[in-house]
Order: sequence, then C-alpha cells, then structure tokens
Amino acid sequence: QQPVQSPQAVILREGEDAVINCSSSKALYSVHWYRQKHGEAPVFLMILLKGGEQKGHDKISASFNEKKQQSSLYLTASQLSYSGTYFCGTESWVWTSGTYKYIFGTGTRLKVLA
Amino acid sequence: NAGVTQTPKFRVLKTGQSMTLLCAQDMNHEYMYWYRQDPGMGLRLIHYSVGEGTTAKGEVPDGYNVSRLKKQNFLLGLESAAPSQTSVYFCASSYFLDQPQAGQTIQYFGAGTRLSVL
Repeated sequence: QQPVQSPQAVILREGEDAVINCSSSKALYSVHWYRQKHGEAPVFLMILLKGGEQKGHDKISASFNEKKQQSSLYLTASQLSYSGTYFCGTESWVWTSGTYKYIFGTGTRLKVLA
Repeated sequence: NAGVTQTPKFRVLKTGQSMTLLCAQDMNHEYMYWYRQDPGMGLRLIHYSVGEGTTAKGEVPDGYNVSRLKKQNFLLGLESAAPSQTSVYFCASSYFLDQPQAGQTIQYFGAGTRLSVL
C-alpha cells in the first residue's frame, strides 16, 4: 500500500517553516525522503531506520515515530531552493524469497515564494 | 562523476514500435531499478535487478522487459509501445548501507527519459 503524504501541496514565503507528513497503515522498515525539482530526477535527502529516530541536515530534518508508521519532514526557514516535490519512500525485502518492493508516497508539492 | 546515465533523454514512438532504454552506472552498485512517473503521481517500480544476470518484476511490469547482462548496465525494453506507456522513465541504482536487509539502501537516480507514444 502506498504511503499517504500530507499536505498534497503547500505554498510558503521565504523564511517560513513547513511540515510534510508520510503515513502508512502498517509498520515500515524505514523511511527515505527525496526531493524532486521540476523536470529533474529525485535526489535522496535522508533515511530513518529506527522508531523514534530524528535526523537533521542543514535546515531540513525528519522524524520517525516509535511505531514506525509515520514520518515527518521539517523544513525550517525555507529557501527558494526548497521548492519541488517531496516524496517519502519505503522498501521491504524478503531475503529468502527474493521479493523486493520499493513504494514511494503520494508526494507533496512545495513552492517557496520570494 | 557520471553517476547514473540514461539514454536517450527524449523519444517519440508510434504505437506498436519497439525501443530500448539504456541505463548505465559507474558506482559499482549491485542493485538497479526502472521506474515510471506519470503526471502528478509518484514513481512506480517496473522491474529491478539485484545483480548481474538477474531481474525481477516490480509493481507495474506488464508491457516491459529488462536485461542486466553487465553489472553496470540495465536495459528496459518496450516490445510494442502503447499510448499508456507515455511517461517519464527513471533508472536508479543503489548499495546497501550495511548488511543486505530491508531499509538499508539509498537510491541514486538518472536524469530520466521522456517517452511519448502516439
């Protein structure tokens, strides 16, 4: 099942903060966050592996709740360069059967205005 | 560093024509993937490969075939293109952070191929 992201879209002014949520109906092995600028490939931002984990990079940080069913991406003091579509992704891998799935979330379009 | 390179960048096909998309990576990654992205939607996994000579189906494999004859290359083929295959195709490769287990890969994407089937 595809993780559901909220909001679907958000418009900010430079310097404002935003939160993007990624929710799953079942516990996830991990959550990956990507940003995709218009007409470009997705770029990896960060990965969270453990329930309760928080991670930050510059002014972008993320958390993974204890039950590992929800992750939030925090964008602080947004910059014009933050504009794009943000995807969460999750993977499952059954080593014995060789079954692999990687499922991206529904996406959140973020636009930062000057 | 080239990273993940996709060719061609753009292609227009007529219904029923065939073509092959090439993905090449120079990072010595074991895993490679093909995704399609349709307007307003996320990426959906078509096929993937966990190593040279091995391929497996993803979420939306129908109408596509793949081959991984060399570790660095992953080819996506459309035998008889249909308008429903109009999309942007992304190739990705990944490595495991530690032991090969779920949740331990980071994917690196190519720039994409825009395909239109008329």
